[in-house]
Amino acid sequence: DAGITQSPRHKVTETGTPVTLRCHQTENHRYMYWYRQDPGHGLRLIHYSYGVKDTDKGEVSDGYSVSRSKTEDFLLTLESATSSQTSVYFCAIRDAYEQYFGPGTRLTVT
Amino acid sequence: SQQGEEDPQALSIQEGENATMNCSYKTSINNLQWYRQNSGRGLVHLILIRSNEREKHSGRLRVTLDTSKKSSSLLITASRAADTASYFCATENSGGSNYKLTFGKGTLLTVNP
Repeated sequence: DAGITQSPRHKVTETGTPVTLRCHQTENHRYMYWYRQDPGHGLRLIHYSYGVKDTDKGEVSDGYSVSRSKTEDFLLTLESATSSQTSVYFCAIRDAYEQYFGPGTRLTVT
Repeated sequence: SQQGEEDPQALSIQEGENATMNCSYKTSINNLQWYRQNSGRGLVHLILIRSNEREKHSGRLRVTLDTSKKSSSLLITASRAADTASYFCATENSGGSNYKLTFGKGTLLTVNP
């Protein structure tokens, strides 16, 4: 699993509340990614990071922000959660050319 | 927007049969990768093929790439019930930066015992 953990693994929250998901890696990889997975859409990139404090937007970044203050942690924040952000969120790291994924966080926004 | 599109969306076969999944993409690529996802789990990398390669093997997996047709296929030989999973292709586009992958929507493979 390339030493990738995500927390929390499951979360239920109410519309309008802020939510932060954490991705932690233990192997000092430079590149980290946040994806969301929804039925019928496959995996879509939200934000990614190419180093400490270096981040950029992906395909579906509206309503999300990220931060990376140290190599091992990449945080995804939903500034004001909406029902459309109910999804499974995956973090990944890049090693050589491949990506390795965390176990996912199932987020439900009610 | 999705770069890779897998075909078929779902495939059901008997144990021991071969399974073939296809992926089409739209722009020039550096490489194409295949991933597997078991239900409720993260994706697992299976195999990578570079744009200058035409075929690659790994165990029971065979991947082909036709850059002129912008398509790839994944063949799983002698399938097993444990191969039941969703399979995704992902492309790393050429000319881009920061090593992003674009994933397709996946093929759900069911291998019946």
